[in-house]
Amino acid sequence: QITLKEPGPTLVKPTQTLTLTCTFSGFSLSTTGVGVGWIRQPPGKALEWLALLYWDDDERYSPSLKSRLTITKDTSKNQVALTMTDMDPVDTGTYYCAHNKWWETGYSTFDYWGQGTPVTVSS
Amino acid sequence: DIQMTQSPSSLSASVGDRVTITCRASQSIRHFLNWYQQKPGKAPKLLIYAASTLQSGVPSRFSGSGSGTDFTLTISSLQPEDFATYYCQQTFSTFGQGTRVQI
Repeated sequence: QITLKEPGPTLVKPTQTLTLTCTFSGFSLSTTGVGVGWIRQPPGKALEWLALLYWDDDERYSPSLKSRLTITKDTSKNQVALTMTDMDPVDTGTYYCAHNKWWETGYSTFDYWGQGTPVTVSS
Repeated sequence: DIQMTQSPSSLSASVGDRVTITCRASQSIRHFLNWYQQKPGKAPKLLIYAASTLQSGVPSRFSGSGSGTDFTLTISSLQPEDFATYYCQQTFSTFGQGTRVQI
């Protein structure tokens, strides 16, 4: 059974750095074709893809946020962390981590999701 | 960046209706398109990948079609549990802005 869990609610001040750690079970990030990604959703708005990290250390980032994002993994702890620098109130929203399945045909899906965690950016 | 545009942004329908949602990419993405369903306060759920392949466990009333730049999600007979927001997503990248299906 695959599960993913984000940390509890986070409050950060503008210009600070956000670090979120996703803890997962039921799969290994050393298995071919497996990845973990982060997606966020501002209140009442659409989903926004942020970053994705694969079993082979392939890192992918949203082009518009790439300069602010870093995704890392700790395979032994079954964790993936997302760091976002220079936080701004517009970064407020729910942040999800999700299991990603990749096929050699190039298809990729977020097929299991965490419940999401609220992040608030405010002074 | 490739932009994904969904239409309509919202629609009203009744149980039993056939519902169609469109997603258009700003340039060809071949079949690299996924569809997700999200209910209020919940995480999204994968419905369809590779434009037309139904995810395991998803009811067969959901179907997807299209390739290149134009894609469609169809619900053949809307059920009460289908009232939600639907998002398309280009593989590895952008989500559409969502289509809210309401009563």
